[in-house]
Parts: sequence; structure tokens; C-alpha cells
Amino acid sequence: NAGVTQTPKFRILKIGQSMTLQCTQDMNHNYMYWYRQDPGMGLKLIYYSVGAGITDKGEVPNGYNVSRSTTEDFPLRLELAAPSQTSVYFCASSYEGRNNEKLFFGSGTQLSVL
Amino acid sequence: GNSVTQMEGPVTLSEEAFLTINCTYTATGYPSLFWYVQYPGEGLQLLLKATKADDKGSNKGFEATYRKETTSFHLEKGSVQVSDSAVYFCALRATGANSKLTFGKGITLSVRP
Repeated sequence: NAGVTQTPKFRILKIGQSMTLQCTQDMNHNYMYWYRQDPGMGLKLIYYSVGAGITDKGEVPNGYNVSRSTTEDFPLRLELAAPSQTSVYFCASSYEGRNNEKLFFGSGTQLSVL
Repeated sequence: GNSVTQMEGPVTLSEEAFLTINCTYTATGYPSLFWYVQYPGEGLQLLLKATKADDKGSNKGFEATYRKETTSFHLEKGSVQVSDSAVYFCALRATGANSKLTFGKGITLSVRP
């Protein structure tokens, strides 16, 4: 009963490096999301996907890319890491049916860019 | 645009104390309202929700009532436990197709024995 799994849990990057944050869900949810959480701030939506092959920008997409080749996986790519991308990243999924607005979150990835 | 405002934290209470965490919102129409909780080392999880005015959401002893007249959705619990120590997020989802959750900044609750 894994739910939403994110890896890695922690990562330190140097400015200009790239990396991919992995996210997998085993609940057959069609919707998936990436959020970032900065200290003292609410969660901000980076990108989301309504199904395999379909992605769209959220509030703060700059500096990130995503892909959704399968229902289960929704990786987030940072191409040129910047200090402003230091944050905690959460992946989430949901089944967007009638009256179902419940998101399931992973445990987060703490990223520091130095 | 849509926004959620939560009271400033952190909040520290003794076990069995009464809890109120304030949340107000700005949105057009009739949004759905939520409280999410994040326990240490875990992701957020839905605690309760309300989808229309005067609805009361409840779960695990927590309650919140959707107040349209005051645009509020305050979270309450009559007697907190140490295990309630967590970060609490208020959120809304506006009406309309493809609307997404808007979160408040969260508030940390610490309950001491």
C-alpha cells in the first residue's frame, strides 16, 4: 500500500547542476501534481497533469520541466539549478471524479541549491 | 485572485487544551474548503472538508464550519493530544473546471504533555 512515493528525500545541488525528482503512485490516479513549499509560505503549484501525455503549468513553472509518459510516473526536472529553487518539493495525486477532491501527497524532497 | 489567510504561528498548547486555528479566504463564488495536516516526516493528508455554506467537516475530533458570511473556516478541537502535533494547512478550491487547490502558509501546532 505504497501510495505516492518520492525520491530522493534529500539532495544538495550546486548552482547550474541538473537533477530529476522522481514521483510514482500506485493508485491509478489520473491527476498528478508538483508543489513547492518555501519556509513560511503555502504550497505553490509548479506543474500538473490530468493524464498520461498531458501536462500543464501551474503558478510557478519557470526553471522546471515535467513529463507524463505513464499513469504512474510524473518526474520533475530541474535543468540549471538556482538558489531560488531551494525548497521542499511535494508530489501529489488524485482521482478527479465527481465529488472527489482529495489529494494524496508524497513525503517530500528537501532540496538545497548552494 | 483566490487566497487563503491563516493565523500566525507557531501555536503551543498543553494536552487537553482547546484548539482554534483561524482561516479566512478570498474567492469568487462558492469554493470548497479543506484542512490538510502534515505530521512530522510525512506528506500532507486531508483532514476534513466542506463544500457549501454552513457545512461542517469533521474528523479525528477536529471540526470546521464553512461560514460564507465571514468567509472563514476555522479549525477547532475540544481536547488536543500530543499526537496532534503537526502542521495544519487551510486550502480552498474555487468553482469552475480545472480549478486547483490554493493553500494557506500553514501553522505549526505543538502539544506538550
